[in-house]
Amino acid sequence: QSVLTQPPSVSGAPGQRVTISCTGSSSNIGAGYDVHWYQHLPGTAPKLLIYGNSNRPSGVPDRFSGSKSGTSASLAISGLQAEDEGDYFCQSFDSSLGGIHVFGPGTKVTVL
Amino acid sequence: QLQLQESGPGLVKPSETLSLNCIVSGGSISTSTYYWGWIRQPPGKGLEWIGSIYYSGGTYYNPSLKRRVTTSVDTSKNHVSLKLTSVTAADTAVYYCARLQGLWVDYWGQGTLVTVSS
Repeated sequence: QSVLTQPPSVSGAPGQRVTISCTGSSSNIGAGYDVHWYQHLPGTAPKLLIYGNSNRPSGVPDRFSGSKSGTSASLAISGLQAEDEGDYFCQSFDSSLGGIHVFGPGTKVTVL
Repeated sequence: QLQLQESGPGLVKPSETLSLNCIVSGGSISTSTYYWGWIRQPPGKGLEWIGSIYYSGGTYYNPSLKRRVTTSVDTSKNHVSLKLTSVTAADTAVYYCARLQGLWVDYWGQGTLVTVSS
């Protein structure tokens, strides 16, 4: 079982906006640790999409945005495009068990 | 552009040691800003952080795997290695090499599937 929880899937039509939630607890997101998001497209290496809750690395379109509140975080994809179809997972740090990086199970984004 | 490429046997027998290498190209492994890590994903399950290592050799591991994990760096070859001892079927997974900047991964390898089976 993943320490962080995400919906298994979300879908939307091209051009629409979808959001993916990432829920943690008081030992990770709620403890103030940042949330980071990754995109994993079929046949490719995972790619950093958002770091530090809401920061985009160079080259990531501003259609992707992140936010954090309390023990949860969200990734929003606006202007959904066919090439966005893939898996998206969140990551944070957990202070329990000696301190470990923890991941969400991933959310499959389907472009209808 | 930084690239990470994992390599190693795709099949390991139960109770044996899993050994993987990660060749880093397009950048030096000795850069002080980063840690180098290993992450795995068993089939149908979520990602699990295995451990991380600094170029000077400092390490930190997932407590659940600590007894069985060893990571090392070879700055002359610009690569990172992973050894996981006494493997079982539960260690079957896609293993990823990664570069960590702070508490996040800024580069991932493509991953390599390792199956534990007799």
